Parts: sequence; C-alpha cells; structure tokens
Amino acid sequence: DQQVKQNSPSLSVQEGRISILNCDYTNSMFDYFLWYKKYPAEGPTFLISISSIKDKNEDGRFTVFLNKSAKHLSLHIVPSQPGDSAVYFCAVSIQGAQKLVFGQGTRLTINP
Amino acid sequence: GAGVSQSPSNKVTEKGKDVELRCDPISGHTALYWYRQSLGQGLEFLIYFQGNSAPDKSGLPSDRFSAERTGGSVSTLTIQRTQQEDSAVYLCASSFRPNQPQHFGDGTRLSIL
Repeated sequence: DQQVKQNSPSLSVQEGRISILNCDYTNSMFDYFLWYKKYPAEGPTFLISISSIKDKNEDGRFTVFLNKSAKHLSLHIVPSQPGDSAVYFCAVSIQGAQKLVFGQGTRLTINP
Repeated sequence: GAGVSQSPSNKVTEKGKDVELRCDPISGHTALYWYRQSLGQGLEFLIYFQGNSAPDKSGLPSDRFSAERTGGSVSTLTIQRTQQEDSAVYLCASSFRPNQPQHFGDGTRLSIL
C-alpha cells in the first residue's frame, strides 16, 4: 500500500506560468513534509519543507502548501523556468522516526 | 567536500558476488541514511545512522544486506551474494541533525548480471 501518492506521473507547463505539483498521503501521523527535485543521474536535491504546525512555507519562487484535513500537500513554482524541468518527489516523515517515505515522482517539463 | 560523496558511481558485478558501496557524508552531519531506487520505483528507505549507531534498520530487505558507519563519518553498505533483484541505484543522504532536511549524494548504480 502506497502511503504517499503523486497521482500525476508528468506535467507540462509553459515558461513563465505557474507549476503546481500535488501529493497525497494516508497516515495522519506524518508531520514533516519535503519536496525534492531530481535531474537524471544525480541525487535528489532538497527544495523546501514544511512542518505540520504550518500550512504554508515560501522560499523564493517555491511555495509549499499543506492541507492536513485533506492529507494533501502541493508545491507551487512561479514563474516556471526551463531549468525547473526535472522529476519532483514529495517526501514525508514522522518527526523522530527519521526515515523519509517518498512518492513516485512527477516529471515536470517547462516549455519555452 | 561540499556534498555527500558516494563511490563507486557505477558497479557491475556477477550474481553471487559481494559488493561494498561507500558513502562520505557532509562534514559535521551526524545523521546518515541509505535509500535505494529500483527501476520504475520510488526511493525506498534502507537504514539510518545516528553517529555510529543504527537505531533503524527496518528497511534492509534481507540479511544479505548490512551497513556500518565508523568515526561518525564514512558509511559502507555491503550486499552479500548479490541477486538480480538487488540491481538499483543506492543513494546515501546525510543531515546535520535528525529531523533536518536530508541531503543526497548522486548514488551508486548497481547492476547484477
């Protein structure tokens, strides 16, 4: 059973527009949420995180939203740039448990 | 170095052989993690170290897999009697403290013939 789901395997967005990536989780005990970006043949790169005491965290062009009642988080990238083309993974954990549980990833393509 | 370093970057070996994968975490990071990503799959947790101790080994898939960490720094993941299903990218991550964002190396791509 998948505890973390990214239901869109791929997403295509025009340069300059907003990219919205979504992630759903099943376990209400999860309380720490992260987004990673991955280029081919490289390891995942940490982008942004949020703890369950917040519902929004912003860092430059990246904003993560957390809806605890819906067990849903999303990553907004605005404006989207060609360098944002990559696979994006959401990851969740229970504080104190350390291990991250990852979604399957969404491949984002930014079109010029 | 500035980031997490893993070696080798690629490893091809025959079924039944033992392999050792190495991870050099970011200097000063006390927590170290191993994950793997099989073809078409998400990242799967294997083991977590805090210092030289491994409080969570729950992700190791069988007793053919073991890991150690020495001096609170370098870690080695060993797979004995490799099987074809062990083929995957093995990723190491470290964090300054537990509950901090984990930073990943570029992984070791392991192929079992």
